[in-house]
Amino acid sequence: EAQVTQNPRYLITVTGKKLTVTCSQNMNHEYMSWYRQDPGLGLRQIYYSMNVEVTDKGDVPEGYKVSRKEKRNFPLILESPSPNQTSLYFCASSLQSFTDTQYFGPGTRLTVL
Amino acid sequence: GQNIDQPTEMTATEGAIVQINCTYQTSGFNGLFWYQQHAGEAPTFLSYNVLDGLEEKGRFSSFLSRSKGYSYLLLKELQMKDSASYLCAVRDRGGDYKLSFGAGTTVTVRA
Repeated sequence: EAQVTQNPRYLITVTGKKLTVTCSQNMNHEYMSWYRQDPGLGLRQIYYSMNVEVTDKGDVPEGYKVSRKEKRNFPLILESPSPNQTSLYFCASSLQSFTDTQYFGPGTRLTVL
Repeated sequence: GQNIDQPTEMTATEGAIVQINCTYQTSGFNGLFWYQQHAGEAPTFLSYNVLDGLEEKGRFSSFLSRSKGYSYLLLKELQMKDSASYLCAVRDRGGDYKLSFGAGTTVTVRA
């Protein structure tokens, strides 16, 4: 089954404790993105990747890092999480560009205390 | 960048029709998407418009007017399972390609 998976689905952590949210897709898509979704603000792109070892900043990259060492995986790293990073995070992949039809993962609800 | 506006909430009765409007401002329009998102779930693709006119897919239709910066999603023969948030997203090719999402419209279908 074609899908995007994320782990963990739910996470409660404390300020400053480094965490990684994993994302994997099995559709051989070149493009992958990370979004955060906050009430009233819609989905905002954090980072995107056009291929292995090629990443770029989206609209709200501050406080986040990403890596793309393999085509299928695109982890999101929060080196020192802060409460304003409490949000619902979605990983997505797309076929022809990062602005193409997005296939979203199930989401990760992160709470930073 | 884009400025995308959609109503926050709409309520309709089972079997009825609801129209969700989306207006946008962009420097280089290159396509508009509609996604459906059920509570607690991931958004899923519904439709894509890049030329003016109506695209029909079963009970769902999407319309685009590029000159007016306007789109709507029409949901016909509403069912309870259509209760969800509907996201409008605009692709802009001004400078670097960008994809921006509206805040979404929550549709509640009542029996």
